[in-house]
Amino acid sequence: DQQVKQNSPSLSVQEGRISILNCDYTNSMFDYFLWYKKYPAEGPTFLISISSIKDKNEDGRFTVFLNKSAKHLSLHIVPSQPGDSAVYFCAASADNNDMRFGAGTRLTVKP
Amino acid sequence: DTAVSQTPKYLVTQMGNDKSIKCEQNLGHDTMYWYKQDSKKFLKIMFSYNNKELIINETVPNRFSPKSPDKAHLNLHINSLELGDSAVYFCASSPTGESNYGYTFGSGTRLTVV
Repeated sequence: DQQVKQNSPSLSVQEGRISILNCDYTNSMFDYFLWYKKYPAEGPTFLISISSIKDKNEDGRFTVFLNKSAKHLSLHIVPSQPGDSAVYFCAASADNNDMRFGAGTRLTVKP
Repeated sequence: DTAVSQTPKYLVTQMGNDKSIKCEQNLGHDTMYWYKQDSKKFLKIMFSYNNKELIINETVPNRFSPKSPDKAHLNLHINSLELGDSAVYFCASSPTGESNYGYTFGSGTRLTVV
C-alpha cells in the first residue's frame, strides 16, 4: 500500500524560477513529514521537515507547506539553482515510527 | 501487493548477539539498498546491490554483512551487536541503479540494542 505518493516522476524548471514538488499521503495518523534530497551514487540527505501542528516551515530557499485536510504537502524552492538538480523524496511518519517514503521526483534545473 | 517488505519490524536484542534483517522486493527491480537512519533522521547508505552484485559498500564496520541470494532479496546480517547499532534500518529498491527515480522503500526495521 503506497501511503505516500509523489505523482510526478520528474520536473524541469529554469534557473531562478520556483520549483514546486508535491506529495500526497493517505494515512491521517502521519504527524511528521520530511523531504530528502538525493544525488546520484549518494544516499538521501535530510532537507527539511514539518510537524502536523504547523502548516508551513521555511529554511532559506526551501519552504514546506502542509495541508492536512487535503493530506498534501509541497516543497517550494525559490529561486531554483542548477545544484538543486536531484531526486527529492517525501517521507511521513506517525509517532516517529514506521516512516514511509514516496517514490521520488527528479528535479532538473536548467541554466 | 507489490512492495518492499522488511522483517522484523522491531528487533530488541542484547549486546554481543548476532541478528539478521530480511528484505524482499517483488517489483522486479534490479537494485537494492540498505540505509541506516540516525537519530537526526539522516539516511546513510550502507550497501547497494545490482543483480546480486555489490556496487556500493560504504564505510560500515565489517560486523555488517549483506547477503543477496537473488536479485529480489537483500538481507543484512549483523555480528556482535553494539549499542551504537541501535537505529532504524531501511531497505529500498530501484529499477536500474542510480539513474532511475523509481525508488521504493521498505517501512523500516527499528533495531534496539540493550
